Amino acid sequence: EPEVTQTPSHQVTQMGQEVILRCVPISNHLYFYWYRQILGQKVEFLVSFYNNEISEKSEIFDDQFSVERPDGSNFTLKIRSTKLEDSAMYFCASCRTWGTNEQYFGPGTRLTVT
Amino acid sequence: DQQVKQNSPSLSVQEGRISILNCDYTNSMFDYFLWYKKYPAEGPTFLISISSIKDKNEDGRFTVFLNKSAKHLSLHIVPSQPGDSAVYFCAAPRRTANAGGTSYGKLTFGQGTILTVHP
Repeated sequence: EPEVTQTPSHQVTQMGQEVILRCVPISNHLYFYWYRQILGQKVEFLVSFYNNEISEKSEIFDDQFSVERPDGSNFTLKIRSTKLEDSAMYFCASCRTWGTNEQYFGPGTRLTVT
Repeated sequence: DQQVKQNSPSLSVQEGRISILNCDYTNSMFDYFLWYKKYPAEGPTFLISISSIKDKNEDGRFTVFLNKSAKHLSLHIVPSQPGDSAVYFCAAPRRTANAGGTSYGKLTFGQGTILTVHP
């Protein structure tokens, strides 16, 4: 069964460093999302992406964040200058069509900023 | 953002019994709801959904009930199995209208309920 994959599973970085989190969505899906979950808190929406552009972003997704689909398979989330409060699980999700909303999630990347 | 709330952080049930997980929402614009299950170190897995044109949707051992007037939904698992032990999230997608019709975007999640099913 097709699944969303994410790498790395765990990333440790120092405050101020740039990180790139990678995702490979399900191959015939067209809509892509990033969510995060800070320990003990809700899963929060960050950004949605379709047709090579951002469809919607939350207030969390400030200028330090960017997303890219550099080729036909990868979908990346970049944090330019990490802060301690960026430590969280980051989940990538994809959806086949916009009309339904069964978003399929990857296993997540645990980002630890020290 | 308290638009979707799961007020019970945990639930413990005996194997074979019914598990009932509850979810409340405040945004009357929500008209589609999903339940996700999450195991440790994994991403959320889609379980079952319901549209507001229905008040019940069933899939095997899982049934979701929607009470629109109360803005409340619940997930019933019967019979509960130890493998059902996980965190359960309800979620609602934001509905937008466009030229192509209605579409759904970002998910708003509840806080989650930890279900433990004892053998």
